[in-house]
Amino acid sequence: EDKVVQSPLSLVVHEGDTVTLNCSYEVTNFRSLLWYKQEKKAPTFLFMLTSSGIEKKSGRLSSILDKKELFSILNITATQTGDSAIYLCAVRTGSSNTGKLIFGQGTTLQVKP
Amino acid sequence: DAGVIQSPRHEVTEMGQEVTLRCKPISGHNSLFWYRQTMMRGLELLIYFNNNVPIDDSGMPEDRFSAKMPNASFSTLKIQPSEPRDSAVYFCASSLSGQGGTQYFGPGTRLLVL
Repeated sequence: EDKVVQSPLSLVVHEGDTVTLNCSYEVTNFRSLLWYKQEKKAPTFLFMLTSSGIEKKSGRLSSILDKKELFSILNITATQTGDSAIYLCAVRTGSSNTGKLIFGQGTTLQVKP
Repeated sequence: DAGVIQSPRHEVTEMGQEVTLRCKPISGHNSLFWYRQTMMRGLELLIYFNNNVPIDDSGMPEDRFSAKMPNASFSTLKIQPSEPRDSAVYFCASSLSGQGGTQYFGPGTRLLVL
């Protein structure tokens, strides 16, 4: 059975700290791994990773994929209270152009002032 | 760009009633996904369509759930009869083939079945 596991499930840090969120997966027919941020409403897209070892970066957020060890990390540096959210990792599988996404449980991040 | 539109945003109903959730995907997107999110189970994929055709409905929990996509700009998720355990937030998402799986989510419908 395909599965995506995130850790930790929850994390509390102070502003300015750096955090690393983990996502490991076991799926057949891997196509890509995606990170989403969910605040009070719907998830919003952060990154899509398809190749190992290539870091994607957006401001204070960065992510990298290791297809050999089957995991990805999401780093947030100099955290701010606005980073408080649930961070979802999802793996796309399937042979069609879109396939389906299998989500992890999410990591709930709380950044305190 | 209006984004994915869902209606209603909130629904409160009584057990046994029929519930219909609606979704309008982003114009030009040809894949549509229905998800359910609860505290206990997280985000689960229920069903997805490609070019209006259901591709995988293995996530649909029971026969009480059904989904249709009569055309490229509209989809419904129906629960009949509804039960309290169906209470959740239901998200619709759409994507464009070739974008490699980047899905854009609607605001969700918060369903409460009493």
